[in-house]
Amino acid sequence: QVQLVESGGGVVQPGRALRLSCAASGFTFNTYAMHWVRQAPGKGLEWVTVISHDGNNNHYADSVKGRFTISRDNSKNTLFLQMNSLRVEDTAIYYCARDRYGGSRWFVVGADSWGQGTLVTVSS
Amino acid sequence: DIVMTQTPLSLSVTPGQPASISCKSSQSLLYSDGKTYLYWYLQKPGQPPQLLIYEVSNRFSGVPDRFSGSGSQTDFTLRVSRVEAEDVGVYYCMQSIHFPHTFGQGTRLEIK
Repeated sequence: QVQLVESGGGVVQPGRALRLSCAASGFTFNTYAMHWVRQAPGKGLEWVTVISHDGNNNHYADSVKGRFTISRDNSKNTLFLQMNSLRVEDTAIYYCARDRYGGSRWFVVGADSWGQGTLVTVSS
Repeated sequence: DIVMTQTPLSLSVTPGQPASISCKSSQSLLYSDGKTYLYWYLQKPGQPPQLLIYEVSNRFSGVPDRFSGSGSQTDFTLRVSRVEAEDVGVYYCMQSIHFPHTFGQGTRLEIK
């Protein structure tokens, strides 16, 4: 079955960088777009970014545009989120999630399977 | 951005009784392909969200048939026909017709 395992979270000072990873298994990784969604402590869900199945297309929330970069290594079935210039308000659990559409074109319909998440805490 | 508004924000339900959650979007979620991109998720305590319903009314794999979704354009409803103890958690609607995908505030369901 679909398995997504995030890693790389931790405590980091404001202005510093962190790189999250998401190891995927149980499905053909290179045919699915992938998302990152975050959840601040005690708050709701916030969509962050998505990348196409081949890595050639992406979209970002305005709150992270220019600071975060999504990428993937299809040879290693791994999704990444490079987070630069971190702010206190970036503190959250970061979930990677698979898009429900699996195909050869750039088309995103919404996340179906989610990982357990990794906690990022930005604090001085 | 499309704003998703859920009501109520919390509800307390006796086991075996029905529950209903409303979700309204600030724009139509009907896409040119004829599909409406409205999703429902449940986040149980201490767990990641899990997909319940996609494209308004389609139950995701393994979701019990006591969960159903309905609606069109901008007004949507999630119904639980007979609430069970395992249904507690926070329910979110989400639109995926436009970027950024946006979620409702969440509706917390508890058992009486």
